[in-house]
Amino acid sequence: DVKVTQSSRYLVKRTGEKVFLECVQDMDHENMFWYRQDPGLGLRLIYFSYDVKMKEKGDIPEGYSVSREKKERFSLILESASTNQTSMYLCASRIGGGDTEAFFGQGTRLTVV
Amino acid sequence: DAKTTQPTSMDCAEGRAANLPCNHSTISGNEDVYWYRQIHSQGPQYIIHGLKNNETNEMASLIITEDRKSSTLILPHATLRDTAVYYCIVRVASNAGNMLTFGGGTRLMVKP
Repeated sequence: DVKVTQSSRYLVKRTGEKVFLECVQDMDHENMFWYRQDPGLGLRLIYFSYDVKMKEKGDIPEGYSVSREKKERFSLILESASTNQTSMYLCASRIGGGDTEAFFGQGTRLTVV
Repeated sequence: DAKTTQPTSMDCAEGRAANLPCNHSTISGNEDVYWYRQIHSQGPQYIIHGLKNNETNEMASLIITEDRKSSTLILPHATLRDTAVYYCIVRVASNAGNMLTFGGGTRLMVKP
């Protein structure tokens, strides 16, 4: 089975901290995604990577950056966490080409205080 | 980019068929329709996808209208475990590949 693993299930950080959310997949997938999910807003795409060192902005990239140094790992970085970044963060991966299903991690619930 | 419109919520009796509609009137000829669902406290899970033909798998059936402007996901015998938010997605093409963009989804409540 494909496994997408997010490093933390729950995380509490202080305003202004630099936060790293890690995602690892074990199926050699080319495409990886970061979403955030908020009540009433559904899933919103933050960033997308289609290969190592390649990235593309999603719908809400402001306040975030990403890193894809290795194929299996896609990191989401909050340079200076703010309370409006309190959310559920979901990572997904998929074989390249797009005509395939995406597999999601369990999510990281980040609270910024 | 084609957007989707789904009802916010629906109820279904356990054991009955759940029919979840989705409108995607601006869909392009090369865009597929995907369905995912998200059970509480879990990440989204792929259900089914199709281009223009009806599709069926072990989880559900997907009926796409001839003009492709709408589709219906059918869970033939809904169980309590099917209670989830169901997302209808039209695959978006970009220069870099095909991103997944999720709308608000339909919250399906299966009741005993």
